[in-house]
Amino acid sequence: EPEVTQTPSHQVTQMGQEVILRCVPISNHLYFYWYRQILGQKVEFLVSFYNNEISEKSEIFDDQFSVERPDGSNFTLKIRSTKLEDSAMYFCASTRELGTGELFFGEGSRLTVL
Amino acid sequence: GQQLNQSPQSMFIQEGEDVSMNCTSSSIFNTWLWYKQDPGEGPVLLIALYKAGELTSNGRLTAQFGITRKDSFLNISASIPSDVGIYFCAGPQGAQKLVFGQGTRLTINP
Repeated sequence: EPEVTQTPSHQVTQMGQEVILRCVPISNHLYFYWYRQILGQKVEFLVSFYNNEISEKSEIFDDQFSVERPDGSNFTLKIRSTKLEDSAMYFCASTRELGTGELFFGEGSRLTVL
Repeated sequence: GQQLNQSPQSMFIQEGEDVSMNCTSSSIFNTWLWYKQDPGEGPVLLIALYKAGELTSNGRLTAQFGITRKDSFLNISASIPSDVGIYFCAGPQGAQKLVFGQGTRLTINP
């Protein structure tokens, strides 16, 4: 069964460093997302991406964050200068069509900022 | 923005027991979704509800979309060990994003 894959599974970084989290969405999906889950808390929307551009972003997704689809398969989230409060699990998700509410999530990338 | 409140926050039950959890909102949702998150994994959709009053089953799971469109419940019958995890309700906010509740953590004693 096709699935969303994410790398790395865990990254530890120093505050102020740049981090890139990578995702390979399901191949025939058109809408791509990043969500974040701080330990023990709910899953929060960061950004949605369609047709090679951001379609919506949350207040969390400030100038330190960017997303890119550099080729036909990868979808990346970059944090330019990490802060302690960026420590969280970051989930990539994709879907083929809007309206169903069904997002397919990856297993997540745990980011620890020291 | 819209917020979803789930209760209870956690449940500790014996294997074989039935489980009931619910989700409420101060504003109307046109779709209610129930996701499950296993430890160390991403959320997986269990049930989607699209119509007020709708009652939908998926195996031992049953969910209902409240008539007021401001609440939903999820029931699990005859719980088994693999039901352990965190259950999130979710609803669409605008066209592109989902808003999630804070989750109900289910623990099962064998």
